[in-house]
Amino acid sequence: ELKVEQNPLFLSMQEGKNYTIYCNYSTTSDRLYWYRQDPGKSLESLFVLLSNGAVKQEGRLMASLDTKARLSTLHITAAVHDLSATYFCAVDKIDNNDMRFGAGTRLTVKP
Amino acid sequence: DVKVTQSSRYLVKRTGEKVFLECVQDMDHENMFWYRQDPGLGLRLIYFSYDVKMKEKGDIPEGYSVSREKKERFSLILESASTNQTSMYLCASSSPTTFYGYTFGSGTRLTVV
Repeated sequence: ELKVEQNPLFLSMQEGKNYTIYCNYSTTSDRLYWYRQDPGKSLESLFVLLSNGAVKQEGRLMASLDTKARLSTLHITAAVHDLSATYFCAVDKIDNNDMRFGAGTRLTVKP
Repeated sequence: DVKVTQSSRYLVKRTGEKVFLECVQDMDHENMFWYRQDPGLGLRLIYFSYDVKMKEKGDIPEGYSVSREKKERFSLILESASTNQTSMYLCASSSPTTFYGYTFGSGTRLTVV
């Protein structure tokens, strides 16, 4: 059974600091996703990572994938308050039609 | 703008009631999904469908059923609502050929009293 674990589950940061969220998954998967969810809102797709060594960046967020270690990281650089949200990682397989999510990391960026 | 629309944002139902949650997508996606979201548990897959009239159980199908009579519509049914089904329910859709992840609806917060 495919399981996805994220840590930490809660993260409180000061503005301007850097931090990393980790996502481990239990079995081989084809695609890894990062989503953002603001309170009371739905999930917004941030990144899709398809291959070992893939790295994608958008603003202060950078996601990477190590398929051998079954690990993805979401690195936050110089955090700002607007990044406060819950971040989910998820994985799926091309021939499986469904996606499994981690428990989410609730990020709070304090001034 | 592409959309997944869930019919209700908030619902309050009584224990034992039959509850229908509706989801409609306008992207001609083949795949549709129902998740429930609970604090600390992330999103858990209830059911999904990869074609009209097709359905597959996810991780937590007990107490739920689904219906997909048309490609654009995927309904989640709680046959006899119970308090432990109080949750946020999220519908999503995708195409088998897309690599952009799922498109999610805005969610239905269901409270069973």
